Amino acid sequence: DAGVIQSPRHEVTEMGQEVTLRCKPISGHNSLFWYRQTMMRGLELLIYFNNNVPIDDSGMPEDRFSAKMPNASFSTLKIQPSEPRDSAVYFCASIGTGPGGYEYGYTFGSGTRLTVV
Amino acid sequence: RKEVEQDPGPFNVPEGATVAFNCTYSNSASQSFFWYRQDCRKEPKLLMSVYSSGNEDGRFTAQLNRASQYISLLIRDSKLSDSATYLCVVNSGYSTLTFGKGTMLLVSP
Repeated sequence: DAGVIQSPRHEVTEMGQEVTLRCKPISGHNSLFWYRQTMMRGLELLIYFNNNVPIDDSGMPEDRFSAKMPNASFSTLKIQPSEPRDSAVYFCASIGTGPGGYEYGYTFGSGTRLTVV
Repeated sequence: RKEVEQDPGPFNVPEGATVAFNCTYSNSASQSFFWYRQDCRKEPKLLMSVYSSGNEDGRFTAQLNRASQYISLLIRDSKLSDSATYLCVVNSGYSTLTFGKGTMLLVSP
């Protein structure tokens, strides 16, 4: 299995530009999570989906952030317009919740390192 | 009070030493507990789950004290390759996990 795949690995953009981060979860995993990591705040949950449906987006910082999961194999996190304080590493993670609960474990992608200048 | 609190360190230890990390959590209803390891500029990876009875995986031992809302990780016979940040993680509802900011461990020759 290729694991959770995120793209791009690095993104440098100018303030005000739109940024789109992409994630492909592990096949068969039915929950997907977007996290943001900074030195100051650590790992923060932004939003998660179960069976492609957004369940909790209370961690999304503000309206500039949006996330979609149009199908079981793809999700996007969009920031529009981007600001320097959005600079962070954005991780996507997926988990399969079969009858036994977290039987497939919680697997992170390699992350997207975003720098907004 | 933060949901999951850890001493950020760094803990500097020589090879072969025993080192312990502690973590406290605020949500008494939390059900699942984990330790994750994160190497520099890498993603977090599951190190081990933490069970009420305590559990061991080779040189690593995890303990949970529900009454005190306290989790620990003990590493025996530290190796250079153990140098990383160790994240205390608590299940805070459904499948979502709440992460501590991590404790940095540096093992020196």
